[in-house]
Amino acid sequence: GENVEQHPSTLSVQEGDSAVIKCTYSDSASNYFPWYKQELGKRPQLIIDIRSNVGEKKDQRIAVTLNKTAKHFSLHITETQPEDSAVYFCAARDSNYQLIWGAGTKLIIKP
Amino acid sequence: NAGVTQTPKFQVLKTGQSMTLQCAQDMNHEYMSWYRQDPGMGLRLIHYSVGAGITDQGEVPNGYNVSRSTTEDFPLRLLSAAPSQTSVYFCASRQGRENTEAFFGQGTRLTVV
Repeated sequence: GENVEQHPSTLSVQEGDSAVIKCTYSDSASNYFPWYKQELGKRPQLIIDIRSNVGEKKDQRIAVTLNKTAKHFSLHITETQPEDSAVYFCAARDSNYQLIWGAGTKLIIKP
Repeated sequence: NAGVTQTPKFQVLKTGQSMTLQCAQDMNHEYMSWYRQDPGMGLRLIHYSVGAGITDQGEVPNGYNVSRSTTEDFPLRLLSAAPSQTSVYFCASRQGRENTEAFFGQGTRLTVV
């Protein structure tokens, strides 16, 4: 079955700098890769997703890149702000159309 | 629309007790899922349903039962609570297998003592 690994587990960056979180997946048939943001004590919410027919997708300060050959995808946040502090989860959709999740990355934005 | 409503928000159980976590959605979504969230382990799928009357096991189904008698409701039952089931539980729903944004409930923090 699908397995998703996410790195790093904690990422601390200076406000205004960029942050990159990486995920790898095991099932080459997976074709949908979302990223969710979970603020402290709240529910996860979708921030961006990518399908396997594209290599990159952008939405303002966030972008996701996908390398299907290497089976990895990454979240890029530019010009980080205090409100970007949260836990970020990547996921991959498996053959049963269920989402298999990475372990999460705690992003800390230092003032 | 209320979205996905999950109750209760907090619960403390004694070992061996049973209880049901409630989940309801008003978006007419076909797909519903239950996850548990433990520190450093992300979201692990317990059970899921692709429509009324259809349920299936996820990664960690042992100790939990589900049913889906209506499109709206997807309760999760803990049969005999164990300390290992201490976790935060999330219910989520999606419109279908292709429209895959998942909408989450507010979560239930369960402690088993």
